[in-house]
Amino acid sequence: DQQVKQNSPSLSVQEGRISILNCDYTNSMFDYFLWYKKYPAEGPTFLISISSIKDKNEDGRFTVFLNKSAKHLSLHIVPSQPGDSAVYFCAASGNSGAGSYQLTFGKGTKLSVIP
Amino acid sequence: DSGVTQTPKHLITATGQRVTLRCSPRSGDLSVYWYQQSLDQGLQFLIQYYNGEERAKGNILERFSAQQFPDLHSELNLSSLELGDSALYFCASSVAPSRTSGTVTQYFGPGTRLLVL
Repeated sequence: DQQVKQNSPSLSVQEGRISILNCDYTNSMFDYFLWYKKYPAEGPTFLISISSIKDKNEDGRFTVFLNKSAKHLSLHIVPSQPGDSAVYFCAASGNSGAGSYQLTFGKGTKLSVIP
Repeated sequence: DSGVTQTPKHLITATGQRVTLRCSPRSGDLSVYWYQQSLDQGLQFLIQYYNGEERAKGNILERFSAQQFPDLHSELNLSSLELGDSALYFCASSVAPSRTSGTVTQYFGPGTRLLVL
């Protein structure tokens, strides 16, 4: 039972254009969402997060949008750069008891930014 | 550099063997999490420790165990290894959950790549 889904395994975008990565979740207890970027042979790197009390969070070229009613979030990268080429993971967190807030990850979307 | 260190970077062993993976969290972080990433799989949560105590368990096999020491470093022990245990194992750390947000960002180490032959 996949609680966090990234339905697009891959995405190709021209340099300078917008990249939109999507993520859906099913668990209503999730109240905090994160995006991580991962290069081969490295650990995931935290990019941006959003709390369920907000619907948008922006950090430079990265913006995350949250639609709670649809249980959907998206990451927008504008403008896309070749260095953004990586696998992007969506993750969700909520209190799963005893104060534990482990992350549930999607399977990732491989973004390729074409020069 | 996230500040989380993991050793070794690579590990090759045989079926039936036992290995120990080590993780040092970021300075000041009290929580350590272990994740497994198998081929074509996302990261699967295994287990969490907070200030030396087990806090939560995920999809961790009985052959696997972990602990967090007084200096807050953590070790993941994998025993009776099988071919299917070949994967990337990541450690992450975070500060204690805040009272207001209830959740905090986790910072990941570079991982240990385990190959069981």
